[in-house]
Amino acid sequence: AQSVTQLGSHVSVSEGALVLLRCNYSSSVPPYLFWYVQYPNQGLQLLLKYTSAATLVKGINGFEAEFKKSETSFHLTKPSAHMSDAAEYFCAVSDKQTGANNLFFGTGTRLTVIP
Amino acid sequence: DVKVTQSSRYLVKRTGEKVFLECVQDMDHENMFWYRQDPGLGLRLIYFSYDVKMKEKGDIPEGYSVSREKKERFSLILESASTNQTSMYLCASSYPTGGNQPQHFGDGTRLSIL
Repeated sequence: AQSVTQLGSHVSVSEGALVLLRCNYSSSVPPYLFWYVQYPNQGLQLLLKYTSAATLVKGINGFEAEFKKSETSFHLTKPSAHMSDAAEYFCAVSDKQTGANNLFFGTGTRLTVIP
Repeated sequence: DVKVTQSSRYLVKRTGEKVFLECVQDMDHENMFWYRQDPGLGLRLIYFSYDVKMKEKGDIPEGYSVSREKKERFSLILESASTNQTSMYLCASSYPTGGNQPQHFGDGTRLSIL
């Protein structure tokens, strides 16, 4: 079965600093990969997705993620953190091999932005 | 924009009650999903459906059932609510195109079982 690991359940950065949220997947066949953001008391909102086109994927709100097959990683970055980026972030994967539509989610990383 | 609407944002029920959580989507999506979200555990799939009147168990179906009588509506049922079912419940929908389509989420229902 597919799985994803998000290193660091909590990450704190200063406003204006680089944001780096880590995600590693476990699959011999590169899957489809997604990053979602969840603001307090809301559902999940899609930030970006990787579906085997360009390895560097740009998303909303200035976020981007790079797919690295050799490292089985799909880390999320943003050059300069803003207070409004404080939220919980989830990495998710779906199985390209089976074509199934289910997503497997990581346990999430809560991002705190310090003024 | 895709709209996934969950009928209640907050719900308080008592142990042993039968609880219905409703979800409606307006994008004609074939796929619909129910998750529960608990701190430190991420999202866990309860049930999903790829078509009307079709349902499949996810990772944690015990104590739950679902109903999908119409394409746009997917209901989650707690047959006899227990305190360990206190959680955030999230509904999602998507197109059925081989896994490369994102799921679209509702705002969630925070359910407390007393």
